[in-house]
Amino acid sequence: QKEVEQNSGPLSVPEGAIASLNCTYSDRGSQSFFWYRQYSGKSPELIMSIYSNGDKEDGRFTAQLNKASQYVSLLIRDSQPSDSATYLCAVIGGAQKLVFGQGTRLTINP
Amino acid sequence: NAGVTQTPKFRILKIGQSMTLQCTQDMNHNYMYWYRQDPGMGLKLIYYSVGAGITDKGEVPNGYNVSRSTTEDFPLRLELAAPSQTSVYFCASSSSGPGEQYFGPGTRLTVT
Repeated sequence: QKEVEQNSGPLSVPEGAIASLNCTYSDRGSQSFFWYRQYSGKSPELIMSIYSNGDKEDGRFTAQLNKASQYVSLLIRDSQPSDSATYLCAVIGGAQKLVFGQGTRLTINP
Repeated sequence: NAGVTQTPKFRILKIGQSMTLQCTQDMNHNYMYWYRQDPGMGLKLIYYSVGAGITDKGEVPNGYNVSRSTTEDFPLRLELAAPSQTSVYFCASSSSGPGEQYFGPGTRLTVT
């Protein structure tokens, strides 16, 4: 079982709708979770971090964490074409390492 | 601040050649990382450093070496390049641990 799993997509969402991206992780002891966005041909950039169960909102982005079920999700409200990118879920594993999922490619259709 | 810079941006190597990928950050971050990203895949950790003089292996260290003589620089050395090392290489840094990392623009390496 992979440490961090994401559906690779592509996920296609109409403009203005809510995009929902999901991620599961295997290490029940993980405490810190992150979402990075990567535009095609560019480097990843951090967009959200979450450490406690529940929701964390930042503008149009909401991260959700459920440690009992070992999943993390990212919701993007009022999706825009500029949100089209690959979204990488990441979890801190042992010994100061960040473990990334393979990413979900999101396309927002005008 | 330039952030994290990487050179070169692109490089083509022949099998068996060696090269050094340069990474420099000007944010005074203690933590630095090297990743590779193959097409359609996530990031795989090659090596990391928690401070000058301290380095450790990540998930895929074979065929690579690193050094960290200063806080700013974290070069990645490829010895005896192989086609399996064809990838995009990203350097990253963080101030307080592995979670919130700042990435450089990447180096696209092809080994033929």
